[in-house]
Amino acid sequence: DSGVTQTPKHLITATGQRVTLRCSPRSGDLSVYWYQQSLDQGLQFLIQYYNGEERAKGNILERFSAQQFPDLHSELNLSSLELGDSALYFCASSVEVGPGTGELFFGEGSRLTVL
Amino acid sequence: AQKITQTQPGMFVQEKEAVTLDCTYDTSDQSYGLFWYKQPSSGEMIFLIYQGSYDEQNATEGRYSLNFQKARKSANLVISASQLGDSAMYFCAMRGRQGGSEKLVFGKGTKLTVNP
Repeated sequence: DSGVTQTPKHLITATGQRVTLRCSPRSGDLSVYWYQQSLDQGLQFLIQYYNGEERAKGNILERFSAQQFPDLHSELNLSSLELGDSALYFCASSVEVGPGTGELFFGEGSRLTVL
Repeated sequence: AQKITQTQPGMFVQEKEAVTLDCTYDTSDQSYGLFWYKQPSSGEMIFLIYQGSYDEQNATEGRYSLNFQKARKSANLVISASQLGDSAMYFCAMRGRQGGSEKLVFGKGTKLTVNP
């Protein structure tokens, strides 16, 4: 158990809909990362938050948004869903102890299926 | 830009033998970290081992060791005494700081199959 909690574990929805994925980081971790894993793209970094503020942005679509709340949990909002958004979405957290250091601890992922 | 290359889409190894999974990286950062993660068929990402760019000794964690060759920009994972439960996808990743922010960049992964 990594200590990172993601809900829901599985989600099936239709094209055009909107979903929210939730992540609770490990106790004490201020950084939250979101990754998308699809079969053809591998693990793609979406966005990082640190103590409530956006820290880094990756290949995140404009239809997607995220935020980190004062209690440090984070939500990833996916809207106007398309078939290609079907993927496993991971949340990870870490302690920032210096450049390049500190492993990321991953949640079990939220598997999104868009029909 | 940071880049991770894993050239072995799939690897096979006999139970109890050692196996090396290759990873090369590209970065202009002076300080960075290299990681290996395991993803079994159940989907979770499991942290295995970490190597800092300034670490002089190769990292080891139980049956896992990281063969770090900084000049060649390689960070190969060595699994000794393979077990059936080692069958999984293995991802090499690098973390560094660019423009005041950090992110972890992953390779495409290597699928390891351990045969009895």
